[in-house]
Amino acid sequence: GAVVSQHPSWVICKSGTSVKIECRSLDFQATTMFWYRQFPKQSLMLMATSNEGSKATYEQGVEKDKFLINHASLTLSTLTVTSAHPEDSSFYICSASNRLAGTDTQYFGPGTRLTVL
Amino acid sequence: RKEVEQDPGPFNVPEGATVAFNCTYSNSASQSFFWYRQDCRKEPKLLMSVYSSGNEDGRFTAQLNRASQYISLLIRDSKLSDSATYLCVVNFRGDTGRRALTFGSGTRLQVQP
Repeated sequence: GAVVSQHPSWVICKSGTSVKIECRSLDFQATTMFWYRQFPKQSLMLMATSNEGSKATYEQGVEKDKFLINHASLTLSTLTVTSAHPEDSSFYICSASNRLAGTDTQYFGPGTRLTVL
Repeated sequence: RKEVEQDPGPFNVPEGATVAFNCTYSNSASQSFFWYRQDCRKEPKLLMSVYSSGNEDGRFTAQLNRASQYISLLIRDSKLSDSATYLCVVNFRGDTGRRALTFGSGTRLQVQP
């Protein structure tokens, strides 16, 4: 299957700093990328959907000014957590799909574990 | 009410047992259905899609009942390596017209030797 990578795989930062997470599709063009967040023992919650070259669409309750998403190319999307706080500590997972291939299949990255001190 | 509901478990079963998981979804406009597997501290991985006619992949059988808005997963001859959390996932077109995956909170399976 298609491969999606995320970087970094884990990060620890101080409260108030910003953290950027990269999501790359390695062997296909990702027309759409999704960003999820998963707290311990909870389900994945969709944060936002981004289509290449356009602004991301955020789910209700997700602050777009706090979670900045950029999808500038067909193989890269970034999520920046600005002014991170301990409550932002979570497992952030991206997924990618290629709608042009006629399928909605999403391929998930390995996730990034963020810990804010 | 959650959009996708699952029994969180854990289901503790001996090796070789048959185990079944159920899932219900609330949105009747849901269009695609999946079972994903998630190991501890890892990303979810697609186990199988679920079709109305039912489908089987080796030891795994999935069923969909659209009338009851109910999905099931049956695992036969459980292996130790089957221990994981199984996520029921539904894809539907939301109010904004976008299609999105909605995840259940998962059912944890622990297969014991």
